Formats: sequence, structure tokens, C-alpha cells
Amino acid sequence: AQKVTQAQTEISVVEKEDVTLDCVYETRDTTYYLFWYKQPPSGELVFLIRRNSFDEQNEISGRYSWNFQKSTSSFNFTITASQVVDSAVYFCALRGMNTGFQKLVFGTGTRLLVSP
Amino acid sequence: SAVISQKPSRDICQRGTSLTIQCQVDSQVTMMFWYRQQPGQSLTLIATANQGSEATYESGFVIDKFPISRPNLTFSTLTVSNMSPEDSSIYLCSVVQGAFVGYTFGSGTRLTVV
Repeated sequence: AQKVTQAQTEISVVEKEDVTLDCVYETRDTTYYLFWYKQPPSGELVFLIRRNSFDEQNEISGRYSWNFQKSTSSFNFTITASQVVDSAVYFCALRGMNTGFQKLVFGTGTRLLVSP
Repeated sequence: SAVISQKPSRDICQRGTSLTIQCQVDSQVTMMFWYRQQPGQSLTLIATANQGSEATYESGFVIDKFPISRPNLTFSTLTVSNMSPEDSSIYLCSVVQGAFVGYTFGSGTRLTVV
């Protein structure tokens, strides 16, 4: 079975603070992909990043960075110098590749509130 | 990546009625999926829409309640039948193109059943 756990239900920060959103996953597949999506109040899902299981290199994109550690089955997301526009629900998701089934499994999401 | 047009964006419906949601993609896609997001919850896969054959439903979802059509590689519909207030959710269409494992989502349909 595949599972994604986002233990942080809601995080509140003040603008310009750094914040890390945690994601822990479970899968028996040796090959898999991990994703982060942002869902602003308008409801659409915005793709942020995709990472495959063979690439543990951390990635930085502007104020966003991701830390992938297979040893702890974690794929954490850090926002540096947060802004009010970062307020949204963030979902971590997993897709296993070994079974050939293209189902994307989502975590329960973390609601980020950034206040001015 | 593909661009998805999902309609309607929102609707308020009377219980007992049905609503059909459309998902139109600007290019041919391999896989199309339908998700439900209940208020304050995560996304749950309803079914995979297969072109030319019946949809594949996840546990807890049945064809009588959520009939799905996929007449070609760019279009699919999801019907929410005999609605009750518990069906109030956001319904999202998602696609995968070719061998690429990225997923694109439509803007969602926010359904309220009264």
C-alpha cells in the first residue's frame, strides 16, 4: 500500500518567516515519483515540483526548496521569506511506478497561513 | 503541459438531481482521472476514465452514482447522480500525457447540494 502523511494540519507564520512543510511517504515500489501541489483559496491545484526516487539532489526554485531523503522517506518543502500570497493548502503526493497503475496518492494537506 | 477546461466551475443543485461535469483537454492524453475533495479534506480518486471502455472505479465509488464517459482522447464527463448534501465537494479532472508522469489538474467544479 502507498501512503503519504502530512502531520502538520495547519501552520501560521508571519510574513518573511521561513517555514517547512513536512511530508513522509510509504511505498514498496523501488521506483516512484513524489509531487508537491499548491491549492490556493480559488481551489485549483498548482503543480510545484516532481521528483523521482533516483534523484535525491535537493532542489531550489526561487524562495522554494525541497529536501528529499530516501533514508527517512521524507520529501520536505521549505518556503523562505514567506509572503501573504503563499497562503494556501499544500499537498504532497506519491505515485508508485512498479505496479504500472498510475494512481496518485495524496497526503491530507497542510494549510499555511501567512499573515502580514 | 496540457491545458484543461473544466465546466461548470461551480453549481448549486437540489438534492435528488444530477449534475454532469465536463473536462476538455487541448491535446490527446493517455489517462484521465476524476477526483473528489470534500470540504477541508484531501483529494480522493473516484475513477480512471478509459477511452473506449468502462471507467475503473476506486473502492467506495460505484458507476451508478458516478457514471463516467470518455468518448475520445480529449474529453470526459463525470455525472454525480441522485445528489445529496454529502456530495457537496470540489470535483477535479486530472490528466497524464504519454509517458510523462506529471499530472495536470483542471480548475475544479465546486458543487453545493441543498
